Amino acid sequence: GAGVSQTPSNKVTEKGKYVELRCDPISGHTALYWYRQSLGQGPEFLIYFQGTGAADDSGLPNDRFFAVRPEGSVSTLKIQRTERGDSAVYLCASSPSGFYNEQFFGPGTRLTVL
Amino acid sequence: GQQLNQSPQSMFIQEGEDVSMNCTSSSIFNTWLWYKQDPGEGPVLLIALYKAGELTSNGRLTAQFGITRKDSFLNISASIPSDVGIYFCAGPTDSNYQLIWGAGTKLIIKP
Repeated sequence: GAGVSQTPSNKVTEKGKYVELRCDPISGHTALYWYRQSLGQGPEFLIYFQGTGAADDSGLPNDRFFAVRPEGSVSTLKIQRTERGDSAVYLCASSPSGFYNEQFFGPGTRLTVL
Repeated sequence: GQQLNQSPQSMFIQEGEDVSMNCTSSSIFNTWLWYKQDPGEGPVLLIALYKAGELTSNGRLTAQFGITRKDSFLNISASIPSDVGIYFCAGPTDSNYQLIWGAGTKLIIKP
């Protein structure tokens, strides 16, 4: 079946602009995660959804970052007033239950802030 | 806080060679996970370890859960070109859903 998909695959924006990154999880997966991966680093946890609600958003770096999952499927990560330091690969993962060893990752969106 | 340290940072090897890499922490982990990430892709789970001292294989890959529960090792035997990529170790936090990740070991095969 289809895996996790993320769009766009690449996004180039200017400092100060607003961006939205989309994640389509595997059908039927109730849990969804967003991670940020900087060059030469492992993924860094941002937020975890169980269904429509954000069960844990402790990894969001500041209030410029926000994520939604209104119908419990597709999720959008929103970044306001982008800064050059936001440049990274943003990974999405979904899981049938949320347990940490059952995460299936998408290919990521590479965000570049000029 | 909890941190995972991976070494080496990168490895240049010849095709056919065996590879060893490790992951250490100052904290105890009850589970160790090893992932591989290819360029332009997300990480894929290779091996999961749940018990101190456990040795688990997946094809040419073998991973061990250190007896102190503060380290884990991944070995790849007879490397082939498709083994190229970045290998990450990860372990769970106190929650049952969140992982902490190492910085990765990059495997490069010399032509």
